[in-house]
Amino acid sequence: DVKVTQSSRYLVKRTGEKVFLECVQDMDHENMFWYRQDPGLGLRLIYFSYDVKMKEKGDIPEGYSVSREKKERFSLILESASTNQTSMYLCASSRELGSNEQFFGPGTRLTVL
Amino acid sequence: LAKTTQPISMDSYEGQEVNITCSHNNIATNDYITWYQQFPSQGPRFIIQGYKTKVTNEVASLFIPADRKSSTLSLPRVSLSDTAVYYCLVGSPSGGYNKLIFGAGTRLAVHP
Repeated sequence: DVKVTQSSRYLVKRTGEKVFLECVQDMDHENMFWYRQDPGLGLRLIYFSYDVKMKEKGDIPEGYSVSREKKERFSLILESASTNQTSMYLCASSRELGSNEQFFGPGTRLTVL
Repeated sequence: LAKTTQPISMDSYEGQEVNITCSHNNIATNDYITWYQQFPSQGPRFIIQGYKTKVTNEVASLFIPADRKSSTLSLPRVSLSDTAVYYCLVGSPSGGYNKLIFGAGTRLAVHP
């Protein structure tokens, strides 16, 4: 089974802090994704990566950056956390970039005070 | 990207068969139909995918009529653990990045 793990299930941070969310997958997938999920808005893509050190902006990249130094690890960085970044953050990976089958991690519920 | 419409919520009882229908009138020729399941406080989980007619796996069946403008996810003999949100998505897996668009989904509640 593909396993996608995220570093924290719950996280509480203060406005202005720099926040790191880590995601690791163990199936040698090329592609990794970061989404946020908010009530009434569904899942929205923040960034994705199709190879080590490669990244592409999704629909809502503002206020976020990413890092992919190793194939199995994809990090989401909130440079200066704000209250409107309070959300559920979901990491996913897929074997093929065009695949409809993505494997999701359990999510990190981030609260910014 | 094809928009999908599905019921907001459904109720069922243990042991019953549940059918959730999704309409996607603007589905493109290359689009596949994919269903995900999401439990509270977890990420979505891929259930099943199909292009036409019928697809069955150990979890569910997917029925797609000839015009492909709708599809039905069928869950046989549901149990309490099938209580979840079910999402219908359409998209093409061929070439380039396929952005998954998750709408509000259908919230299924299974009662004892």
